[in-house]
Amino acid sequence: DAGVIQSPRHEVTEMGQEVTLRCKPISGHDYLFWYRQTMMRGLELLIYFNNNVPIDDSGMPEDRFSAKMPNASFSTLKIQPSEPRDSAVYFCASTTRRTGEGSYNEQFFGPGTRLTVL
Amino acid sequence: GEDVEQSLFLSVREGDSSVINCTYTDSSSTYLYWYKQEPGAGLQLLTYIFSNMDMKQDQRLTVLLNKKDKHLSLRIADTQTGDSAIYFCAESLYNFNKFYFGSGTKLNVKP
Repeated sequence: DAGVIQSPRHEVTEMGQEVTLRCKPISGHDYLFWYRQTMMRGLELLIYFNNNVPIDDSGMPEDRFSAKMPNASFSTLKIQPSEPRDSAVYFCASTTRRTGEGSYNEQFFGPGTRLTVL
Repeated sequence: GEDVEQSLFLSVREGDSSVINCTYTDSSSTYLYWYKQEPGAGLQLLTYIFSNMDMKQDQRLTVLLNKKDKHLSLRIADTQTGDSAIYFCAESLYNFNKFYFGSGTKLNVKP
């Protein structure tokens, strides 16, 4: 498997523009997470899905942010309109629940999208 | 809510041992993890420990868990320049679904 795939790797946009970040999870994984990483706030969980259904979006900063998962192999995180304070690295991660002994959880992270909003 | 805290920076010389510390607040943690983030990359699982264990050793890595004090540490023996990265402590709870990450400790290894 190629791992979690994110696109684009880098995005530079101007304030007010719409930004769409994309993620393809590892095949067979039924959990998908979106994180944001900044120097000031570290790694923040924005939202996560289970079987394509959003389970917890309490980390989404405000209504300008929205996330969808139309099928098991694709998710988007959209920011509209974007603001300079949205500049960060956005990570997508996926996992599946293990069962039985040694059922630790491992989240597999994509390489991230570095977003710069001017 | 759950709070996982780490110091932000650690600098060591090549060949020395590194110890990265982490504290967490939720006593219902089931597993605790250390993730490594190399420059320009996503996080990768380095090691983990089940909450009923005190210690886990894996080659140059030693994880110590003090459940009473809610303190987790990662010791890297014979630290190499390739160990320079950001190290994240994380916990997952009984319900599995969410991870709570610390802010990350940036380890700088000087030759």
